[in-house]
Amino acid sequence: ILNVEQSPQSLHVQEGDSTNFTCSFPSSNFYALHWYRWETAKSPEALFVMTLNGDEKKKGRISATLNTKEGYSYLYIKGSQPEDSATYLCAFYPLSGNTGKLIFGQGTTLQVKP
Amino acid sequence: SAVISQKPSRDICQRGTSLTIQCQVDSQVTMMFWYRQQPGQSLTLIATANQGSEATYESGFVIDKFPISRPNLTFSTLTVSNMSPEDSSIYLCSVNYFGEASGGNEQFFGPGTRLTVL
Repeated sequence: ILNVEQSPQSLHVQEGDSTNFTCSFPSSNFYALHWYRWETAKSPEALFVMTLNGDEKKKGRISATLNTKEGYSYLYIKGSQPEDSATYLCAFYPLSGNTGKLIFGQGTTLQVKP
Repeated sequence: SAVISQKPSRDICQRGTSLTIQCQVDSQVTMMFWYRQQPGQSLTLIATANQGSEATYESGFVIDKFPISRPNLTFSTLTVSNMSPEDSSIYLCSVNYFGEASGGNEQFFGPGTRLTVL
């Protein structure tokens, strides 16, 4: 059984705070690691698709790093804004399951207070 | 990218009844995926809907409980049969597509169907 773990489960921060979450995944049979953002009543949407050890990707105030050898990824949000409030999901894409079968973590729910 | 719509967006159903969820994609895709998220749980893959063949179910999910149709390359339905309160979840359909925003093959999701079973 492949487990993907995310921590913390939920997070409350003040507007302007920077924050980060962790995603742990199996370090073997790695193909890709995805980060998604899921706002209430909307579709989950992809933030990053990461494939290379040491990868660092950035989109505006959000960035992510990847360590495939030890099996973790961090998502950072700099200067959180209320519109960043959402559930952030990571998903592991195993090499042997290269058919779109993503294995999701349970998500980190972020609330940013104005 | 892919644009996906789902119907209904939400429903409240009685125990023992069935609900069929529809998923429409704006482009032709080989595989469509059905996920669910029970309260406090991960997004879990139910099955892969293949056009022209039977769906492939993940461990713990069976065709009698979650029959799937895939009549063409842009449409699929998932039925939740003989529902119980444990079936209360968000159900999402999804396709795998190249995403310019992320720069890789990513899952595009429908907006989800929020099901409550009383």
